[in-house]
Amino acid sequence: GQNIDQPTEMTATEGAIVQINCTYQTSGFNGLFWYQQHAGEAPTFLSYNVLDGLEEKGRFSSFLSRSKGYSYLLLKELQMKDSASYLCAVRPYTGGFKTIFGAGTRLFVKA
Amino acid sequence: DTEVTQTPKHLVMGMTNKKSLKCEQHMGHRAMYWYKQKAKKPPELMFVYSYEKLSINESVPSRFSPECPNSSLLNLHLHALQPEDSALYLCASSQDSLLGQKLTDTQYFGPGTRLTVL
Repeated sequence: GQNIDQPTEMTATEGAIVQINCTYQTSGFNGLFWYQQHAGEAPTFLSYNVLDGLEEKGRFSSFLSRSKGYSYLLLKELQMKDSASYLCAVRPYTGGFKTIFGAGTRLFVKA
Repeated sequence: DTEVTQTPKHLVMGMTNKKSLKCEQHMGHRAMYWYKQKAKKPPELMFVYSYEKLSINESVPSRFSPECPNSSLLNLHLHALQPEDSALYLCASSQDSLLGQKLTDTQYFGPGTRLTVL
C-alpha cells in the first residue's frame, strides 16, 4: 500500500530556515514532488526528486533518500508569503499516472 | 506558459441539477487529471486521461462523468450530486511520461472550481 507522513503544522519566524520532513512507504517509487498550496488556491509545483541527494532552487531545496523513504523541503530566508501548506507527493511505480499526496504541512511564518 | 484554466471558479447547484466543469491547457500536455480536495485534506485523484483516453478511474461514483473532447480540453459532468460532494475540484495536466522518471511528469494545476451542493 501507500502511506505518506508529514507533520501537520509548523511555525517559524520570518528570515529563519525551516525543514519540513516527509516519510513514505510505497509499492515501488517513481519520484517525489513538493507542492505549495495557499489557502483556497491550487497547488503549485516546487521541486522534484527521483535520485538521492539535494536539489536546490533559490530559497527552496529538497532532499531525497530512497533507501530511507525520506525527503525534506528546506525553506531559507522565510518570508510571510511562505505561509502555506506544503504537500509531499509520491508517484508509485504502477506504470500509470497516479500521484499520491500527503496530508500536507501547514506552515505559519510569524514576524 | 504553464497555465491550466478552469471554469467556473465557483458553482452552487442543487441535487437534481446537471452541470459541467471545464478545464483547458495549451501546453501540449497529453495527460490530464481531475482531483477532488476537501478543506485541510490533500487532493484525491478521481480520473486520469492519457492521449484523450481514460487511463485511471479511482472508483468514482457514476454521478461524476469525465470527458476529454480533445487533447486541450477536459470536462467533468455532474448529475444528481450529494451535499458531501461539495469540495474544490482541481484539474491538472502533465506532459506525459509512461516511465515516470522525468520532470515532465510534473503536474500543473488549474485554480480549481469551488463546488457547493445544496
